[in-house]
Amino acid sequence: DPKIIQKPKYLVAVTGSEKILICEQYLGHNAMYWYRQSAKKPLEFMFSYSYQKLMDNQTASSRFQPQSSKKNHLDLQITALKPDDSATYFCASSQDGTANSDYTFGSGTRLLVI
Amino acid sequence: AQSVTQPDARVTVSEGASLQLRCKYSYSATPYLFWYVQYPRQGLQLLLKYYSGDPVVQGVNSFEAEFSKSNSSFHLQKASVHWSDSAVYFCALSDSNYQLIWGSGTKLIIKP
Repeated sequence: DPKIIQKPKYLVAVTGSEKILICEQYLGHNAMYWYRQSAKKPLEFMFSYSYQKLMDNQTASSRFQPQSSKKNHLDLQITALKPDDSATYFCASSQDGTANSDYTFGSGTRLLVI
Repeated sequence: AQSVTQPDARVTVSEGASLQLRCKYSYSATPYLFWYVQYPRQGLQLLLKYYSGDPVVQGVNSFEAEFSKSNSSFHLQKASVHWSDSAVYFCALSDSNYQLIWGSGTKLIIKP
């Protein structure tokens, strides 16, 4: 059974629209993260949450807003979508937010903005 | 500034041959280092990690990596590759903010 569920797996959106990427983890972890993988670029850190509180935000645009309704949920809302937002978005979790924590990754949501 | 460099975008080896995937890092202190593998259409899976101590660390599926402070490297090795090892391999370090800084990945292709 998948331990981190990301929904949907694939998403096509129109420029200017808004979408929410879902992430749920069933590992009992206290820290959750979002990373973005764009074509021909290294994975980029976006957000980290610990105990449902935002710990770090490296996303320049306010169009990206994480939402944590429960401890094991960290959704990503993206507004005013642009073609450059096309990427695979990975959710991850760890027991806590320390440097030597093991990360577990979801299988990603592939977003295509047209 | 901290960074991770994987100089080889693609590596091709024959099945049964040995493998080395290179990773160089730039960090002011001794970093926490990781190797992850990404199989097609899947998320990333941890292969191994280094925090301190023995510079040679063992991971899953007979992978190992050697940390070298003098060379700022953390190369991944395997004595004999299998076709199922075909994947993209990422090196990463954990910085002072506990974020993972990633290399660009190396695609491993196994020839029959």
